[in-house]
Amino acid sequence: QKEVEQNSGPLSVPEGAIASLNCTYSDRGSQSFFWYRQYSGKSPELIMSIYSNGDKEDGRFTAQLNKASQYVSLLIRDSQPSDSATYLCAVTSQAAGNKLTFGGGTRVLVKP
Amino acid sequence: DTGVSQNPRHKITKRGQNVTFRCDPISEHNRLYWYRQTLGQGPEFLTYFQNEAQLEKSRLLSDRFSAERPKGSFSTLEIQRTEQGDSAMYLCASSSLGGGQGMIEETQYFGPGTRLLVL
Repeated sequence: QKEVEQNSGPLSVPEGAIASLNCTYSDRGSQSFFWYRQYSGKSPELIMSIYSNGDKEDGRFTAQLNKASQYVSLLIRDSQPSDSATYLCAVTSQAAGNKLTFGGGTRVLVKP
Repeated sequence: DTGVSQNPRHKITKRGQNVTFRCDPISEHNRLYWYRQTLGQGPEFLTYFQNEAQLEKSRLLSDRFSAERPKGSFSTLEIQRTEQGDSAMYLCASSSLGGGQGMIEETQYFGPGTRLLVL
């Protein structure tokens, strides 16, 4: 079982719709949770970080964390073609030295 | 530009050759990480430094890989006797601990990566 799991997609979303991405993790000691966006051939770019249960909103992005169920999700509202990318979920724990453990990423395609 | 920089951006080498990559972190970031990413996968941790001390090295990392951060600023990653399986994007990230930021709230910022192709 992978430590961090994501559906590889592609997740096809019409322009203007909401894209919903999910991520589950196996280490109950995980403390910090991140969503990175990665365009093809580029490096990961931080979108959101979340550390406590509940929702965190930043512009069109909302991250949701549920530690009891060991999942974290990302909602992208009013999806734009420029949101087409691979979204990487990553988790860290102090016990593991705060290194990022990534899922395989979900590819999102926003169709005009 | 005050972000993380990496050089070279691309490297093509023949199997058996040695290669060295450089990473310059964000100024005053005391933590520096190296990751490797192959096509269709998420980045995979290789090693990290806090200041000049190498605190952890992945068990997946063979002895052909070595990293240094001699003065706690830039870092180098060397691969000796490259193999075709080493072909990947090598990513560097930096972060800062302390200065009001708690241990739990450490954010890593990535450089543009070095893409290695071993022929």
